[in-house]
Amino acid sequence: DTAVSQTPKYLVTQMGNDKSIKCEQNLGHDTMYWYKQDSKKFLKIMFSYNNKELIINETVPNRFSPKSPDKAHLNLHINSLELGDSAVYFCASSQDLIQTQYFGPGTRLLVL
Amino acid sequence: AQKVTQAQTEISVVEKEDVTLDCVYETRDTTYYLFWYKQPPSGELVFLIRRNSFDEQNEISGRYSWNFQKSTSSFNFTITASQVVDSAVYFCALSEETSGSRLTFGEGTQLTVNP
Repeated sequence: DTAVSQTPKYLVTQMGNDKSIKCEQNLGHDTMYWYKQDSKKFLKIMFSYNNKELIINETVPNRFSPKSPDKAHLNLHINSLELGDSAVYFCASSQDLIQTQYFGPGTRLLVL
Repeated sequence: AQKVTQAQTEISVVEKEDVTLDCVYETRDTTYYLFWYKQPPSGELVFLIRRNSFDEQNEISGRYSWNFQKSTSSFNFTITASQVVDSAVYFCALSEETSGSRLTFGEGTQLTVNP
C-alpha cells in the first residue's frame, strides 16, 4: 500500500565509501525527485526526473548521481561520502510537473 | 527568484488554543502554487494543501484553515482548538510554473502543543 517507499531507512557509513538509496513509487506518477533535509530541517531540491529524463539538477556535487531505470524508480548514488553529506534524503513523486508532490519516509544518512 | 519565509521558528501553545502559522512568499510569476506540509516527530512529510495563484478562496478542512492573500503575498495556516497530535514542523512551499517542478520550502515552524 505504500505510495512512495525508500530503502534503506537508516544508513550509517564511513567517510569515503560509496552508497546508494533506492526509491520506488506505485502511484503511476511521471515525475520523481530527490530532496535533502539538513540538520536545521531545511529542505532543498537536488534532482528531478520526468518520464526518466533529468529536468532539474541543482548545484549538487557530481559525487551525487541519480539514476531512473523506469518511471517508478529513482535511485541516488553517492560516491566518496563526506561528513557534510549527513542528512535526511527524501524521495518524492508527482503526477506531472507542477502537481502535488508526495514524499517517501526519508533516508537518514550518517557519515562517520 | 522564488522565496518562502516562515518568520516563526518555534511556537508553543496549550491544547485547545488556536494557532496561526505565517507564510510569506516572493515570486515574479503570475502562475504559481502554494503548499503546506506537516513533518511530525516520526519524520515523514505529509501533504496538507495545495493552492494555485488564481484561487484566493480560503479553505477549511476540519480544524485546519488556510488564508491566501495575494495582496500581501501570504498563505497563512490556522489550527483551531489545537491538539497534542498537531505538534510537528510545518513547512510552507512554493512552486512556480516557469521553474518546472521545483518546490521551494520555507524554513519551517516547529509547533509544540502542550497538554
